[in-house]
Amino acid sequence: NAGVTQTPKFQVLKTGQSMTLQCAQDMNHEYMSWYRQDPGMGLRLIHYSVGAGITDQGEVPNGYNVSRSTTEDFPLRLLSAAPSQTSVYFCASSYSRQAANTGELFFGEGSRLTVL
Amino acid sequence: GQQVMQIPQYQHVQEGEDFTTYCNSSTTLSNIQWYKQRPGGHPVFLIQLVKSGEVKKQKRLTFQFGEAKKNSSLHITATQTTDVGTYFCAGWSALTNAGKSTFGDGTTLTVKP
Repeated sequence: NAGVTQTPKFQVLKTGQSMTLQCAQDMNHEYMSWYRQDPGMGLRLIHYSVGAGITDQGEVPNGYNVSRSTTEDFPLRLLSAAPSQTSVYFCASSYSRQAANTGELFFGEGSRLTVL
Repeated sequence: GQQVMQIPQYQHVQEGEDFTTYCNSSTTLSNIQWYKQRPGGHPVFLIQLVKSGEVKKQKRLTFQFGEAKKNSSLHITATQTTDVGTYFCAGWSALTNAGKSTFGDGTTLTVKP
């Protein structure tokens, strides 16, 4: 199994450009999420989805859009990149978030984004 | 909103010494999970604790969940160089934070051979 696949692994953008980070999972997980990780900090939740057609905001959603048209894919769109969005982005999925036994989060390998 | 505090931020130990990281939540949790992230890598799940007062062991690692389900700890006995990395706790509350896991800022462990 591929697990959680993120592309691209590295990207450099200029301020104001837009781009999409791709995330796909082949484990039939209901739950998918995007986190950003800045140096010396933990993982901050950007957006998440509990199933196809359902998305919701996390802690730091401003400047990002998501959609969930299929169970497998959960792309993250940067509308107009800013230097403050320079970070490492992780996509993560799990089978459920509906009960105390939520199951582990499976993380992709990350996408390192630099905005100049 | 829910906050999860983790201490210490950094810990440097000599190989063979013990290591402990602590996690405290501002709200009662439904579960807490622990993850390890190697330098340059992605977080990898270690364990999930659900029950009040739960203690789980994985070889040299011992995980505890507090009686009030608001705090947790990870203890490593006799650290090895392979233990190097950042350890994160992630708290989840079905009542106050459904769908969202809140991560602590992590404890970065370095081990001197």
